[in-house]
Amino acid sequence: QAVLTQPSSLSASPGASASLTCTLRSGINVGTYRIYWYQQKPGSPPQYLLRYKSDSDKQQGSGVPSRFSGSKDASANAGILLISGLQSEDEADYYCMIWHSSALVFGGGTKLTVL
Amino acid sequence: QVLLVQSGAEVKKPGASVKVSCKASGYTFTSYYLHWVRQAPGQGLEWMGIVNPGGGSTSYAQKFQGRVTMTRDTSTTTVYMELSSLRSEDTAVYYCARGDYYSADYWGQGTLVTVSS
Repeated sequence: QAVLTQPSSLSASPGASASLTCTLRSGINVGTYRIYWYQQKPGSPPQYLLRYKSDSDKQQGSGVPSRFSGSKDASANAGILLISGLQSEDEADYYCMIWHSSALVFGGGTKLTVL
Repeated sequence: QVLLVQSGAEVKKPGASVKVSCKASGYTFTSYYLHWVRQAPGQGLEWMGIVNPGGGSTSYAQKFQGRVTMTRDTSTTTVYMELSSLRSEDTAVYYCARGDYYSADYWGQGTLVTVSS
């Protein structure tokens, strides 16, 4: 079982909100991790969006709009990237990442379609 | 502004080695780590390892141990990633990314390495 699991795709309408999940493998407690989120558009490198561990330990990437925010669902053992007021330019692949077992570990990515 | 500029695309034969460079500017070179991450065509991101430009220490993902070498040149603020014994599965875009030990923020533009006979 992968360390981080993301749904492969998600669709949402312009102006709506999208909630992208990143589920940690059983036995790995989401509460102890900083979860990082990246956006990648075709042909471009990933761009750092934000990190979230708790409301007192979070960071927004430089220039990243506040409509991108992070949270956690402890009951689901998952990190969440919430994008509000969806715009066509938000259509991209989104990756979560944690530092685990002395390595950066990435989720498989979620392709967000805005239509 | 922080800039990471990588070397150009490479085509290599199976069994050969490739060395990719990443020139950093816009910040104090020795104050941040450099990670290497690769992405096979149509696939996700895979971490390869990290180099400390300050002291030169490295840590590699277990998968690449023995096949990858990461170095740095402080005089030119450049880090290098060399991967040996290339096989077709190593065809990917290779990225350098600046960060602390546990994360990365700014990324290079990527270098496509194609392994083909």
